Amino acid sequence: DAGITQSPRYKITETGRQVTLMCHQTWSHSYMFWYRQDLGHGLRLIYYSAAADITDKGEVPDGYVVSRSKTENFPLTLESATRSQTSVYFCASSEFAGGVSYNEQFFGPGTRLTVL
Amino acid sequence: GENVEQHPSTLSVQEGDSAVIKCTYSDSASNYFPWYKQELGKRPQLIIDIRSNVGEKKDQRIAVTLNKTAKHFSLHITETQPEDSAVYFCAANAGGTSYGKLTFGQGTILTVHP
Repeated sequence: DAGITQSPRYKITETGRQVTLMCHQTWSHSYMFWYRQDLGHGLRLIYYSAAADITDKGEVPDGYVVSRSKTENFPLTLESATRSQTSVYFCASSEFAGGVSYNEQFFGPGTRLTVL
Repeated sequence: GENVEQHPSTLSVQEGDSAVIKCTYSDSASNYFPWYKQELGKRPQLIIDIRSNVGEKKDQRIAVTLNKTAKHFSLHITETQPEDSAVYFCAANAGGTSYGKLTFGQGTILTVHP
């Protein structure tokens, strides 16, 4: 699990500010994902990426932007933070091997974001 | 898109008892069903998964069953121990896609009392 890291681990910001959460993995996994975790909602997919320069929306993409210029990095940006974006954010990665699209997703340690 | 429902939301058992968590899914094309365990303040970690070509899979005290006709799958934990206390999430992949997307259930808080 040390192969996928997130920074910062904790962040407090104010409404309207731009915030970027970083995710880095050392396995060269093809797929990367961003989830948010809120009480009563489980893990909800924000954005995902199948490879560098290929990204797509998940279940709750509004207010978020992603990019993936390198395989190992998948930053998530909140363009103008709102209180409703207070949450725990998890990054995850998985491999695409042997033509199989379903493989274990490995999660990062999470970033706890508070928007005041 | 895929919808995954998980029940119960909370489950309390005595040490040594069995625990069962059930999930239903909506997309008949889904073919991968993992279960994750998340301890307090930690990241989710895979504990067992099942693919649609099998009906049951077991790993020591943990087993998962799948009924594709009824579109439901279940996690069974036998001889529960206090360290099994955690939040458990089921998930199903998005059928027909190569992106490996997962849709998660809402989670079950399992408490095992010594």
